[in-house]
Amino acid sequence: GIQVEQSPPDLILQEGANSTLRCNFSDSVNNLQWFHQNPWGQLINLFYIPSGTKQNGRLSATTVATERYSLLYISSSQTTDSGVYFCAVSPKGANSKLTFGKGITLSVRP
Amino acid sequence: EAGVAQSPRYKIIEKRQSVAFWCNPISGHATLYWYQQILGQGPKLLIQFQNNGVVDDSQLPKDRFSAERLKGVDSTLKIQPAKLEDSAVYLCASSLQRDQPQHFGDGTRLSIL
Repeated sequence: GIQVEQSPPDLILQEGANSTLRCNFSDSVNNLQWFHQNPWGQLINLFYIPSGTKQNGRLSATTVATERYSLLYISSSQTTDSGVYFCAVSPKGANSKLTFGKGITLSVRP
Repeated sequence: EAGVAQSPRYKIIEKRQSVAFWCNPISGHATLYWYQQILGQGPKLLIQFQNNGVVDDSQLPKDRFSAERLKGVDSTLKIQPAKLEDSAVYLCASSLQRDQPQHFGDGTRLSIL
């Protein structure tokens, strides 16, 4: 099946800093989503981005489908950004089930 | 727009007992998914419905897990009998159609004693 690798596995930031989270995947995809899982376990949908670039406030994401990677940018980080960030993909030619990476644990310190 | 609703939020049972979870997807969403998330891991798909038909249940332990979506709207997931390794968060998600963004409920946290 499709492989999803996220890096770095852990990230510690000072409040106000910027960061880049990376997701590599091993096959062409129909769907790519970035999620934030907060400390209460809720999975929040950040971006649906199988290709291209999107921005939402302090967050933006870019997926380069031909090179099979996606980047999530967090600018001016806040303590509420802490949690686990998951990249999830569904490959072309298959059903739409999402395969998740192992996640990136982000801690933003005040 | 109301999100995906799940209940209960928490459940504690003893091994070999049975348990059921309920999910009500976003109105109009044809595709419904059940995922299992074990502590420290990403969610893993258990079963996917398109309307009231099963699209993928290849990773559902069918000797103990069952799921239905009889009227193509809400869904139930059942475990009978439960094992210790079933301790996890069970997440329901829905999307308008396949390959559209999936939206997740808050999940049910299951603990097996």
